[in-house]
Amino acid sequence: ETGVTQSPTHLIKTRGQQVTLRCSSQSGHNTVSWYQQALGQGPQFIFQYYREEENGRGNFPPRFSGLQFPNYSSELNVNALELDDSALYLCASSLSVGFNSPLHFGNGTRLTVT
Amino acid sequence: AQSVAQPEDQVNVAEGNPLTVKCTYSVSGNPYLFWYVQYPNRGLQFLLKYITGDNLVKGSYGFEAEFNKSQTSFHLKKPSALVSDSALYFCAVRDYNNNDMRFGAGTRLTVKP
Repeated sequence: ETGVTQSPTHLIKTRGQQVTLRCSSQSGHNTVSWYQQALGQGPQFIFQYYREEENGRGNFPPRFSGLQFPNYSSELNVNALELDDSALYLCASSLSVGFNSPLHFGNGTRLTVT
Repeated sequence: AQSVAQPEDQVNVAEGNPLTVKCTYSVSGNPYLFWYVQYPNRGLQFLLKYITGDNLVKGSYGFEAEFNKSQTSFHLKKPSALVSDSALYFCAVRDYNNNDMRFGAGTRLTVKP
């Protein structure tokens, strides 16, 4: 069983640039969620995708956008990067959108904005 | 809105001693509660969950958690700590409104030999 994989593992961008992060969900999982984890904090929900549609969104501005593909993989796009966007970005997949489904996380992409 | 709180930033225990990592919750409706562990430079790993049923939930790596409705708590426990249990532990609750998994701020557990 293949777990959640994310790429790249590390990324350095300049303020104002755009970035795309990628995620392959665990085999058999049809739901993907993205989280931002700032240093020393718990993960914060960005959004969730199910059946290629956004299925819930946290308190993040529209410059954070995403996609889910037919094979359930996903992308997180961030436009007009700000210094505060520096964080670990975590992708998580789950077996379904049910509330009792645990999340299975990838190892994250560490984004540094300078 | 659903939320969890982890009152301790840091917990230190000696190897072989029992450990407890505390979590309290605030929910409207039935709580869907989870515990995750995070090792350095890694994502979070699922340990256990409470949905309904027995108040004592058993999970991975010998961990268990006790759901207490009257005290709105969901403390993580292990009878005998290992040095390899040293990590960051997060309590979380499902938010029905937007499919969010809301995490606490985390508790750093250090197990000393």
